[in-house]
Amino acid sequence: EVQLVESGGVVVQPGGSLRLSCAASGFTFDDYAMHWVRQAPGKGLEWVSLISWDGGSTYYADSVKGRFTISRDNSKNSLYLQMNSLRAEDTALYYCAKGSDFPGSGWGQGTLVTVSS
Amino acid sequence: SYELTQPPSVSVSPGQTARITCSGDALPKKYAYWYQQKSGQAPVLVIYEDSKRPSGIPERFSGSSSGTMATLTISGAQVEDEADYYCYSTDSSGNPSFGGGTKLTVL
Repeated sequence: EVQLVESGGVVVQPGGSLRLSCAASGFTFDDYAMHWVRQAPGKGLEWVSLISWDGGSTYYADSVKGRFTISRDNSKNSLYLQMNSLRAEDTALYYCAKGSDFPGSGWGQGTLVTVSS
Repeated sequence: SYELTQPPSVSVSPGQTARITCSGDALPKKYAYWYQQKSGQAPVLVIYEDSKRPSGIPERFSGSSSGTMATLTISGAQVEDEADYYCYSTDSSGNPSFGGGTKLTVL
């Protein structure tokens, strides 16, 4: 059974930094690309970032480009999202999802990031 | 960013057919994907590559795409299908986007 467990979400001040983690199990992690998707409170889904199976290719939404960095450690079955220069509009529940060029069947339960002074 | 347009809400009675649309300029050349999100839960993929159904998804869920519009159809909608539904696709350059979501009410 696919299991994805996000962690690292906290309350952080505007301009601050944070690193989210996603621990994967139940599937061969390095066979799959991975996504981060976020959802602001009461709002819809927003795709954030994608990393290829080997970490060689990364993609970002315009809203986070230059501020967020996606990475992975296949030896640890883990996905990361380094978030810098955080803004109030980055406040959201952040999900990791297993996939290819789309988030597939396998999402975590999310970790909440709140950007507030 | 790429805009995928969905109706904010759709309402049907139990047993009726629900249709949720998603329009986007690149849909003639790009696949559409559909996700169901029940209240307080993570999204679940219900349709991929326009019309394919992942294992475990009931047969009443189907998808189609024609021109600039993709459609999720729930035949014989049940009360437990009440949820938010999101389409997902990419623009012509491959940049991903979700639609704004459609709240399906079954009552």
